[in-house]
Amino acid sequence: SAVISQKPSRDICQRGTSLTIQCQVDSQVTMMFWYRQQPGQSLTLIATANQGSEATYESGFVIDKFPISRPNLTFSTLTVSNMSPEDSSIYLCSVDEGAAEAFFGQGTRLTVV
Amino acid sequence: QKEVEQNSGPLSVPEGAIASLNCTYSDRVSQSFFWYRQYSGKSPELIMSIYSNGDKEDGRFTAQLNKASQYVSLLIRDSQPSDSATYLCAFDSGNTPLVFGKGTRLSVIA
Repeated sequence: SAVISQKPSRDICQRGTSLTIQCQVDSQVTMMFWYRQQPGQSLTLIATANQGSEATYESGFVIDKFPISRPNLTFSTLTVSNMSPEDSSIYLCSVDEGAAEAFFGQGTRLTVV
Repeated sequence: QKEVEQNSGPLSVPEGAIASLNCTYSDRVSQSFFWYRQYSGKSPELIMSIYSNGDKEDGRFTAQLNKASQYVSLLIRDSQPSDSATYLCAFDSGNTPLVFGKGTRLSVIA
């Protein structure tokens, strides 16, 4: 399976600021996904990061709030913009290697104060 | 809407007992099914995959799939306190990404 490095692992941010989360994979993957997991809740898909085109966002998530980059087949970033305490959550990147299974990065625990 | 239903728990079992986790799914064309384990504060980790009807065993874990009933389960034999975690069921409907359930929280009591 792919090795996925996600950083930062955690951060405490002031409201109104932005944080960019990075996800690096040790092999080329077609599909990369960004999830949010609020305390005690399951995974919520934010968007699919497409290489060479705009990300595809799920209902309730917009590009202005969660801009995503996917410059190549091994890297993606998610930015959480103009943060509020409601954005406090764990953010996870995930990859699909084409064999159906999904693998996850270590996650970023974000606290907005 | 493709969905996965899981009992959120918590499911409490004594150490050494069998823990049984269940999941139903809505998409009849689903071909691939997965169980993930997530420790508190950690990311989900794939522990089992199953693609055909019947049982699949891996150590203390057995996954069971019944496509006619749209039902998949995970049995953990000889449960240990280290098995205490949230278990997420997921399926592949042929369109990425996987569809995840909300997870069942398992607590193994020593």
